[in-house]
Amino acid sequence: GNSVTQMEGPVTLSEEAFLTINCTYTATGYPSLFWYVQYPGEGLQLLLKATKADDKGSNKGFEATYRKETTSFHLEKGSVQVSDSAVYFCALFTGGFKTIFGAGTRLFVKA
Amino acid sequence: DVKVTQSSRYLVKRTGEKVFLECVQDMDHENMFWYRQDPGLGLRLIYFSYDVKMKEKGDIPEGYSVSREKKERFSLILESASTNQTSMYLCASSPGTGGNTEAFFGQGTRLTVV
Repeated sequence: GNSVTQMEGPVTLSEEAFLTINCTYTATGYPSLFWYVQYPGEGLQLLLKATKADDKGSNKGFEATYRKETTSFHLEKGSVQVSDSAVYFCALFTGGFKTIFGAGTRLFVKA
Repeated sequence: DVKVTQSSRYLVKRTGEKVFLECVQDMDHENMFWYRQDPGLGLRLIYFSYDVKMKEKGDIPEGYSVSREKKERFSLILESASTNQTSMYLCASSPGTGGNTEAFFGQGTRLTVV
């Protein structure tokens, strides 16, 4: 079946450090891939997305590239800020009605 | 902007009570969802609905029911609340089917059952 696996957290970084959060997926067909972010006390909001192989999604300095050959969609940011502290969810959509979410990775950024 | 509104941010209920969680979206989306979020478990789908009066079980429907009488409103019902239903509940909506359909989330309801 379809599934998403992302690295366990928490991830703790100092401000201005480089961030990578790994995400791999299993899916039939050609899914769309998403990263959602959840700030403390809030619901999830879409961070970026990619709908086909080799697409790069980007937003707020975050990037992720849809790699079909490695079934991956790793999230990266060159220089994190304290305000990036949140939980990050990788997700896929294969059509139909459901989005499948990973378990989430909590990021702490220290000043 | 799409808006998904959950009626309460925090709720405290007693064991055995019947609990209603309400969710309203203002973008005429066909699909609506209820998830619960627990530490270490991520989001788990309870129920979803793809049309008025239509509902489908998700991964963990036991102890819950739902109602969708109007397109914009999707209610989650805990028939007899138990302490293991203490959790964060998230409502979401999405526009039909399609290759790049994203989900829009409410702010969440943190339910405590005592």
